Amino acid sequence: KNEVEQSPQNLTAQEGEFITINCSYSVGISALHWLQQHPGGGIVSLFMLSSGKKKHGRLIATINIQEKHSSLHITASHPRDSAVYICAVDGNQFYFGTGTSLTVIP
Amino acid sequence: DTAVSQTPKYLVTQMGNDKSIKCEQNLGHDTMYWYKQDSKKFLKIMFSYNNKELIINETVPNRFSPKSPDKAHLNLHINSLELGDSAVYFCASSQAFGEQFFGPGTRLTVL
Repeated sequence: KNEVEQSPQNLTAQEGEFITINCSYSVGISALHWLQQHPGGGIVSLFMLSSGKKKHGRLIATINIQEKHSSLHITASHPRDSAVYICAVDGNQFYFGTGTSLTVIP
Repeated sequence: DTAVSQTPKYLVTQMGNDKSIKCEQNLGHDTMYWYKQDSKKFLKIMFSYNNKELIINETVPNRFSPKSPDKAHLNLHINSLELGDSAVYFCASSQAFGEQFFGPGTRLTVL
């Protein structure tokens, strides 16, 4: 069983929809990362958080340490948000989720 | 100005060869990483290197060795390449173990 589980694996949304991607983990962590991998392959760090909530533009990330769960929300989704979103946790080593492939249709 | 750069972008080689991938960061970070992304797009950490302390993922074969000539560089050397080494390799850097900045990736194909 993977130390980091993401859901859903695939997600298709209409432009403008509110999107939630979930991440659950089973190890003790010092931090959780949300990454975005573009269709061209490049990886960008969206958030690093260890408690509470962070917001960058239309993106919001939350984490509940007690429940070992994090969510990534995208408000007013746009086709350029289409990418793979990866959750990763910093425990005794780095563990990655399998990613959520998001497609936003105009 | 590229923050984290990798060379080459593509590498095609025969089984049994020895090859290197270079990584450079101009962010002044003190921690660098190597990741492997397999054909199923699953990412796995291979190494992290911080202030001359190397942390190795125990599942990485010892044919893989990172070499850091200075804080701005962490190169990946691979000996006796195998078919299963074909993957995309990403370098990243961070300040301490903070937010990471990724390189563009190197696609390695072993024939």
